[in-house]
Amino acid sequence: DQQVKQNSPSLSVQEGRISILNCDYTNSMFDYFLWYKKYPAEGPTFLISISSIKDKNEDGRFTVFLNKSAKHLSLHIVPSQPGDSAVYFCAASAPGSARQLTFGSGTQLTVLP
Amino acid sequence: SQTIHQWPATLVQPVGSPLSLECTVEGTSNPNLYWYRQAAGRGLQLLFYSVGIGQISSEVPQNLSASRPQDRQFILSSKKLLLSDSGFYLCASSKGEETQYFGPGTRLLVL
Repeated sequence: DQQVKQNSPSLSVQEGRISILNCDYTNSMFDYFLWYKKYPAEGPTFLISISSIKDKNEDGRFTVFLNKSAKHLSLHIVPSQPGDSAVYFCAASAPGSARQLTFGSGTQLTVLP
Repeated sequence: SQTIHQWPATLVQPVGSPLSLECTVEGTSNPNLYWYRQAAGRGLQLLFYSVGIGQISSEVPQNLSASRPQDRQFILSSKKLLLSDSGFYLCASSKGEETQYFGPGTRLLVL
């Protein structure tokens, strides 16, 4: 049972335009959500996170939106740059001693010059 | 800030051979430590986590085991590798917070 789903395996966007990556979850106990960026053969790099007490968090070109009623979050990248091309994973965690992360399957973003 | 080291970066092993992957963390003390595996074209699957020395929790039954002999050292092992153990293994660390930070990973190919 996939508790965190990224239904789009790939997304292509023109440089300078907005990239919107989506993520859905099913576990209502999740209260913290993260986005990671990953290049091939490297470890994931933390991008941005959001707590369930908020509905928006912004950091530079990256904004994460959380819709708790729909159990949906999205990552907006504006403006998109060729260097943003990578696999993006969303992850979620619930309260607990170790805060284990449950990851989605990832979305390959390609930003075209 | 935390720095996570993993080695080796790449490993090719025959089926049935043993495995030992090491992860060490700098810049923090008493972190929570995690082992993940990413199979080809898949997401990250949590294998083990540890909240302290000698404390290991397993998330999935498998051919692998983990140990934490020191505060900032986390080891992933196997006595006999299977073909299905091939993948990209990632160590992560968190310090009493929700965000985990990842090491560079080890690519394991079992032939």
